[in-house]
Amino acid sequence: KQEVTQIPAALSVPEGENLVLNCSFTDSAIYNLQWFRQDPGKGLTSLLLIQSSQREQTSGRLNASLDKSSGRSTLYIAASQPGDSATYLCAVFKAGGTSYGKLTFGQGTILTVHP
Amino acid sequence: DTGVSQDPRHKITKRGQNVTFRCDPISEHNRLYWYRQTLGQGPEFLTYFQNEAQLEKSRLLSDRFSAERPKGSFSTLEIQRTEQGDSAMYLCASSANRGGGELFFGEGSRLTVL
Repeated sequence: KQEVTQIPAALSVPEGENLVLNCSFTDSAIYNLQWFRQDPGKGLTSLLLIQSSQREQTSGRLNASLDKSSGRSTLYIAASQPGDSATYLCAVFKAGGTSYGKLTFGQGTILTVHP
Repeated sequence: DTGVSQDPRHKITKRGQNVTFRCDPISEHNRLYWYRQTLGQGPEFLTYFQNEAQLEKSRLLSDRFSAERPKGSFSTLEIQRTEQGDSAMYLCASSANRGGGELFFGEGSRLTVL
């Protein structure tokens, strides 16, 4: 059974800091990994998708890496801003077959960026 | 493209009542998913459709839960005889066959059972 763990559970940083969120998973076979952001009481916003054949993806100030051999992904946020405050969730899913899109989520990292 | 739309956004009901949630996926997406999220936890998979076919159901989906996707467009999730343990956020997502299967979520429907 796939298990996903996110560390730390919560993080508070001053504005402008670069930070790293960690995600680990137990079964790394042919899995894609997706990072999401969730604001309180809201749905999930997709940030980055890393396909199983890829090593990293970048979007603006965000960079996500995937190391299947160690079962880890990191989300790097550069020059953090108060608007980045949210819960960040990582999720893995099989890249093919009938379970396509059946995500297994971590519990999330609650990020607070204070001015 | 207006994204994934869910209705209602909030529902408060008394224990034992039936409730129904609706999800309209992104128009060209043929896959549609339902997830449930309780406070402080990541979402958990409930079920998914490819077009109108329901291909997988989680063990979390008891026989009080039923989901449909007639004509492969919008989907409904019905909960019969609601219990307080059903209180949660019900999230709908959709994806296409291309693009690595990236999922796009709606804003969710929050259910409170009194």
